[in-house]
Amino acid sequence: SYVLTQPPSVSVAPGKTASISCGGNNIGTQRVHWYQQKPGQAPVMVIYYDSERPSGIPERFSGSNSGNTATLTISRVEAGDEADYYCQVWDSDSEHWVFGGGTKVTVL
Amino acid sequence: EVQLVESGGGLVQPGGSLRLSCAASGFTFRLHWMSWVRQAPGKGLEWVANMKQDGSEEFYVDSVKGRFTISRDNAKNSLYLQMNNLRAEDTAVYYCARGEWFHFSYYFDYWGQGTLVSVSS
Repeated sequence: SYVLTQPPSVSVAPGKTASISCGGNNIGTQRVHWYQQKPGQAPVMVIYYDSERPSGIPERFSGSNSGNTATLTISRVEAGDEADYYCQVWDSDSEHWVFGGGTKVTVL
Repeated sequence: EVQLVESGGGLVQPGGSLRLSCAASGFTFRLHWMSWVRQAPGKGLEWVANMKQDGSEEFYVDSVKGRFTISRDNAKNSLYLQMNNLRAEDTAVYYCARGEWFHFSYYFDYWGQGTLVSVSS
């Protein structure tokens, strides 16, 4: 089935920009969703349909998707953004819902 | 406020069975697809099963097909996961999640806090 590849970790200084990639074959033809999971907590959706933000999610979170890579961008990173981030798609060929392996974002 | 509260987790021996429940509130349960997603200790998220609003369609990850059954009771605003023939690799926190279709794409917009299932002798 469809495979999503994320870097295991990303480190970023406070106030800087973090970019988290999610690679997949022609992922630009898919719609990608992103989730944030802080330690000991349930996941929270931060971006849906490539670049849409749910209500309550700061504008600092944005998404894009093209070619073989989707990207979650966190601008003006804060200490509270430290978490694991997962991308997700629905693979219509297999009728399976697929998550990437997750990326741990560390705020230096 | 959307709330999803899972229950039914615990310690079970390999080959045993458990039934998870998810109590939903704060939205019209019968109008939404519902899902189970799990997370093994220290690992990432893995989708397990989905069910359509009226229960007429269900989907499973290959590793649980024939062993797990998703079901729902719209009158009770509840989602269930019957897990049979459990294996050590089924050990995980199991999350109940509300699903949403948007332009031929599906995402999980609300999640419960999860219930831990441990399979060990």
